[in-house]
Amino acid sequence: DSGVTQTPKHLITATGQRVTLRCSPRSGDLSVYWYQQSLDQGLQFLIQYYNGEERAKGNILERFSAQQFPDLHSELNLSSLELGDSALYFCASSVEGTPLETQYFGPGTRLLVL
Amino acid sequence: GIQVEQSPPDLILQEGANSTLRCNFSDSVNNLQWFHQNPWGQLINLFYIPSGTKQNGRLSATTVATERYSLLYISSSQTTDSGVYFCAALSGGYNKLIFGAGTRLAVHP
Repeated sequence: DSGVTQTPKHLITATGQRVTLRCSPRSGDLSVYWYQQSLDQGLQFLIQYYNGEERAKGNILERFSAQQFPDLHSELNLSSLELGDSALYFCASSVEGTPLETQYFGPGTRLLVL
Repeated sequence: GIQVEQSPPDLILQEGANSTLRCNFSDSVNNLQWFHQNPWGQLINLFYIPSGTKQNGRLSATTVATERYSLLYISSSQTTDSGVYFCAALSGGYNKLIFGAGTRLAVHP
């Protein structure tokens, strides 16, 4: 158990809908990362937050947005969902959000868009 | 950006066998991690190893940063070692881990 929690574990929804994925980092970690794992793209970085502020952005679609709250939990919002958004979404956390740290991964949220 | 390549793509072993998984990266790295993704999809941290050698039970890893590769050794493999092994690297001042395509390992009894 990495100490990173994600809810829900599974989510099934329809095209065009909006969903929110939630992540709680390890105790003491200030930085949160979101990654997407799809069959065709593999594991890809989406976005990073540090202490409530966006720090780095990757291949995140405009239909997706994220935020980190004062209690340091983070939410990833996915809207106007398409079939291709079906994937495993991971949250990771680290202490200071620097390149020289281990990123610890949560168990993931499996999203299926029908 | 940095490229990460893993080999072999697939590996089938009998229980008790040893194996070596390789990860090549195209640039100097600040961060290199190995993960095991189990059949339920969970990504489990194995090692943070930008250089040097580490051991944890039957698993060990070595990164030769000057030659831009890392190796993961699995000894006396067990069926619970089955799954996909990923290496991920981070280069420069960026914080995003770049993942390889993985090595899919199947250990049969």
